[in-house]
Amino acid sequence: DIQMTQSPSTLSASVGDRVTITCRANQSISSWLAWYQQKPGKAPKLLIYRASSLENGVPSRFSGSGSGTEFTLTISGLQLDDFATYYCQQYNNYFTFGQGTKLEI
Amino acid sequence: QVQLQESGPGLVRPSETLSLTCDVTGYSISSGYYWDWIRQPPGERLEWIGGIHPVGSAYYNPSLTSRVSISVDTSKNQFSLELSSVTAADTAVYYCARKVAVSGRGDFDYWGRGILVTVSS
Repeated sequence: DIQMTQSPSTLSASVGDRVTITCRANQSISSWLAWYQQKPGKAPKLLIYRASSLENGVPSRFSGSGSGTEFTLTISGLQLDDFATYYCQQYNNYFTFGQGTKLEI
Repeated sequence: QVQLQESGPGLVRPSETLSLTCDVTGYSISSGYYWDWIRQPPGERLEWIGGIHPVGSAYYNPSLTSRVSISVDTSKNQFSLELSSVTAADTAVYYCARKVAVSGRGDFDYWGRGILVTVSS
């Protein structure tokens, strides 16, 4: 099965910062990767699909890149509302998620 | 506005069967898309359970396939999950979600709010 590993597990940042979260797959998944944001007690919210396509309604400060086995989610100009946990998800072979990256103030 | 809402018992006894239903509003299930179940044990990562297409068969996580059944009722615009022989390891928040499966996509664009199911005697 395809395993997804995110780094870092926790990321401390300030409002206005630019941050990057990395997601690695243990085998190539082409561009079949999505990113989600989850806040405590809430369902995940889709941000990015196909590695770099922005979901409708998601602010342009979110961007995704990568292909093969290494992917990144970048948030430019952090806002208070962005402090949450972020998950990557592959859909090349069934569906598996990373362990999450908690973005804290 | 597409909305999904999970319902079912919040407590299930070990060895019994967990049964949940997801009601969909704002979109007709029979019109397409895939309809899936995902769970998240406390403090752990999300785990995909399985899904179903209204005109196709269900498909399951290989690690759970022997215990899982997903069905759809288009007349009620809902789909359901059954997980048999549960143990404490099945304690989790269970989400229903819509999966986009066209044009190189396999992501989940709409989710329910989730329901906590605890397995305990």
